[in-house]
Amino acid sequence: DQQVKQNSPSLSVQEGRISILNCDYTNSMFDYFLWYKKYPAEGPTFLISISSIKDKNEDGRFTVFLNKSAKHLSLHIVPSQPGDSAVYFCAASSNFGNEKLTFGTGTRLTIIP
Amino acid sequence: GAVVSQHPSWVICKSGTSVKIECRSLDFQATTMFWYRQFPKQSLMLMATSNEGSKATYEQGVEKDKFLINHASLTLSTLTVTSAHPEDSSFYICSARDLRDPTDTQYFGPGTRLTVL
Repeated sequence: DQQVKQNSPSLSVQEGRISILNCDYTNSMFDYFLWYKKYPAEGPTFLISISSIKDKNEDGRFTVFLNKSAKHLSLHIVPSQPGDSAVYFCAASSNFGNEKLTFGTGTRLTIIP
Repeated sequence: GAVVSQHPSWVICKSGTSVKIECRSLDFQATTMFWYRQFPKQSLMLMATSNEGSKATYEQGVEKDKFLINHASLTLSTLTVTSAHPEDSSFYICSARDLRDPTDTQYFGPGTRLTVL
C-alpha cells in the first residue's frame, strides 16, 4: 500500500511559469514532509521540508504547502527554470523527521524553454 | 501498484558481525536497484547502483568490501554490511526501477533500521 502518492508521473511547464507538483499521503502519523530533487545517475538531493505545525514554507523560488485535513502537500516552483528539469520525490516521516522516510514514486518535471 | 519490500525492517547486531538486508520488487522486474543511506536531517546518500547480473556501481567514498551488494535476480538485491560498527547504525533504503518504464519511476522500499551495539 503506497502511503505517499505522486499521481502525476510527469509534468511539462513553460520556462518562467509556475510548476506545481502534488503529493498525497495516507498515514496520519506523518508529521514531517520533504521534497527531493533527482538528476539522472545521481541520488536525490534535499530541496525543502515542512513540519505539520506549519502550512507553508518558502525558500527562494520553492514553496511547499501542506493541507493536513486533505493529507495533501504541493511544491510550487516559480519562476520555473530549465535547470529545474528533474525528477521530484515527495517523502514523509513521523516523529518530526526522526523516523525513516517514506517516498512517493516521483514526478518528472520538464521545463520547456 | 508496484511494491518494493525490505527485510528485515529493523535489526540490532553486535559490533563486528555482518548483517544482510534484502530488497525485493514484489510485482515487477527491477533491472536496477539503488541503495541509500539516510543521514540525520533526512539527507540521503546514494551508496550504490545495483544492476541485475553485473557488479554494483559504488559511489565515491563507499567501501565496496564493507557494503557488499548482490543483485542475483530481477526481483532481489541484497546489501550486506560486513564487520558492522556503531557508526554504521542508520536507516538503509532501497529503491527499484524498471528500465522499460519510460517515466523512470522509482519505487522505494520501506527502509531497514540498523543499530550496531
